[in-house]
Amino acid sequence: EPEVTQTPSHQVTQMGQEVILRCVPISNHLYFYWYRQILGQKVEFLVSFYNNEISEKSEIFDDQFSVERPDGSNFTLKIRSTKLEDSAMYFCASSPDSYGYTFGSGTRLTVV
Amino acid sequence: KNEVEQSPQNLTAQEGEFITINCSYSVGISALHWLQQHPGGGIVSLFMLSSGKKKHGRLIATINIQEKHSSLHITASHPRDSAVYICAVIRGGGADGLTFGKGTHLIIQP
Repeated sequence: EPEVTQTPSHQVTQMGQEVILRCVPISNHLYFYWYRQILGQKVEFLVSFYNNEISEKSEIFDDQFSVERPDGSNFTLKIRSTKLEDSAMYFCASSPDSYGYTFGSGTRLTVV
Repeated sequence: KNEVEQSPQNLTAQEGEFITINCSYSVGISALHWLQQHPGGGIVSLFMLSSGKKKHGRLIATINIQEKHSSLHITASHPRDSAVYICAVIRGGGADGLTFGKGTHLIIQP
């Protein structure tokens, strides 16, 4: 069964550093999403991406965040200057139709 | 107030019991997902519903759009069903992403 692949599985970074989280969505899917889950809290929507541009973003997705689909296969989330409160599990998801979802296994980001 | 509320938050049951997890939502939706999250964090979609009822193996999901309520049932529960079960809704077009409930932590004891 096709999978959404996320790398790395765990990243530790120093406060103020830039991080890039990578995702390879399912190849024929058209919609791509990033979500985050702070430890012990519910999953929160960050951003959706369709037709090579951002479709929707939440208030969490401020100027320190950006997304790209640089080469038609990878889908990346960049956090420009990490803060302690950015520590969370980040999930990528893709969908063929914006209704059916396949999630990646997540990247655990720890900011120290 | 959360737009998606689940109950119970925690549930411990014995193997073989019939399990029901409830989800209520306060916003208009176009579809609802039931998701499973295991320790270690990965999320799997179990069902997507926009009306009626769906069944897959021992899992059954129902939704009542008028009452803004959905239930997930597990028949003949097994310790391997132990996980967090999450209700998430699609509010408008799918580009809005999912709005999640806080999840129900289910433990099935042998």
